Amino acid sequence: DTAVSQTPKYLVTQMGNDKSIKCEQNLGHDTMYWYKQDSKKFLKIMFSYNNKELIINETVPNRFSPKSPDKAHLNLHINSLELGDSAVYFCASSQELVRARRGDYGYTFGSGTRLTVV
Amino acid sequence: AQKITQTQPGMFVQEKEAVTLDCTYDTSDQSYGLFWYKQPSSGEMIFLIYQGSYDEQNATEGRYSLNFQKARKSANLVISASQLGDSAMYFCAMREGSLAGSGGSNYKLTFGKGTLLTVNP
Repeated sequence: DTAVSQTPKYLVTQMGNDKSIKCEQNLGHDTMYWYKQDSKKFLKIMFSYNNKELIINETVPNRFSPKSPDKAHLNLHINSLELGDSAVYFCASSQELVRARRGDYGYTFGSGTRLTVV
Repeated sequence: AQKITQTQPGMFVQEKEAVTLDCTYDTSDQSYGLFWYKQPSSGEMIFLIYQGSYDEQNATEGRYSLNFQKARKSANLVISASQLGDSAMYFCAMREGSLAGSGGSNYKLTFGKGTLLTVNP
């Protein structure tokens, strides 16, 4: 069973389109994230959610709208896609609010979604 | 200001030799965590090792060890007996944030720019 699964793995779309990326975690973690990795491989946080409540929104354009229907799912919807949105988007999860066991500080990442806007 | 600094954009090592990847960090928090992740060419992010700021001993996981020097704010990754499969991008990251009174938390990982390690046969 994949711990953090995100779909699709690849997404090629035209400028101006709207697209969504889905993420699900089966680890029982209470916090989920979206990270963006640019063409220079730099990883930067976009959003974080605690138990489906938005906590971090790091100066991301309004065209990006995350949605968390429950604490195991975090989706990312992008409106009016631009060339500069081309990147790899990673979903991740962690246990932050309640420590299940000592040392459980792991952040588990999905396999990434490579978005190419043409 | 950059919070995680990896000064080596690229490193080369011979197979079976040890290699050290540098990482320095900047924080005023007393409690924080440091991570290393490996990203092979296939793209996934693989957790390697974790060091808590209060951990007195350096973390070790198999061939990976973390040389934690708190006063210098450095958390270098040491890979012993390099293998060809170790060729990848390596990221140092710091967990920072806090628990809010409302019961939430704003913890997140902040990453360095990475070091591309190439293991030569």
